[in-house]
Amino acid sequence: SQTIHQWPATLVQPVGSPLSLECTVEGTSNPNLYWYRQAAGRGLQLLFYSVGIGQISSEVPQNLSASRPQDRQFILSSKKLLLSDSGFYLCAWSVRPESLFTDTQYFGPGTRLTVL
Amino acid sequence: RKEVEQDPGPFNVPEGATVAFNCTYSNSASQSFFWYRQDCRKEPKLLMSVYSSGNEDGRFTAQLNRASQYISLLIRDSKLSDSATYLCVGSYSGAGSYQLTFGKGTKLSVIP
Repeated sequence: SQTIHQWPATLVQPVGSPLSLECTVEGTSNPNLYWYRQAAGRGLQLLFYSVGIGQISSEVPQNLSASRPQDRQFILSSKKLLLSDSGFYLCAWSVRPESLFTDTQYFGPGTRLTVL
Repeated sequence: RKEVEQDPGPFNVPEGATVAFNCTYSNSASQSFFWYRQDCRKEPKLLMSVYSSGNEDGRFTAQLNRASQYISLLIRDSKLSDSATYLCVGSYSGAGSYQLTFGKGTKLSVIP
């Protein structure tokens, strides 16, 4: 069965510090991978998605970047955190779309980031 | 703009009650829909997928009305463990992948 891991689970960082969040998926190959942010009282916002190694699409302009160095590894980074980067960061995966039923996304346990 | 709108609630219902949530979407090109359940400070977990007019799984029934662009979720015989936030989600195809648009969620509290 497929599993998705994220770490760390919680993080408290000062403004201006760098960030690196990691997500790995097991039990599947060639997944689509996604990074979302959920701010307090708001819905999930798609930040980045990737359909393959080295292929990153950004949905919104922001202070963050993403990379996919391996098929099942997705990394979210920032060089200098802002207060507004605080939130619940969720990684998700889906099967590469080849049929009608491949758009379901499955979420990792998330990283709760507080920027002070 | 692709949006999904939900009543934020909270819905406070007694155990055993039937409760229904509605959700409207603005993107008529949305191909499929989902209901996710999110417990406090946890990740969303898939509850149901809706690809045609509806889906039923035990006490949960989802219905899709494409003409009116809304999706509903019906929970029968509510349990205390059903207390959570329910996210309505629409899917549309993007470049090489499907994109999901999430509603902000409807909070349900089932009371003893």
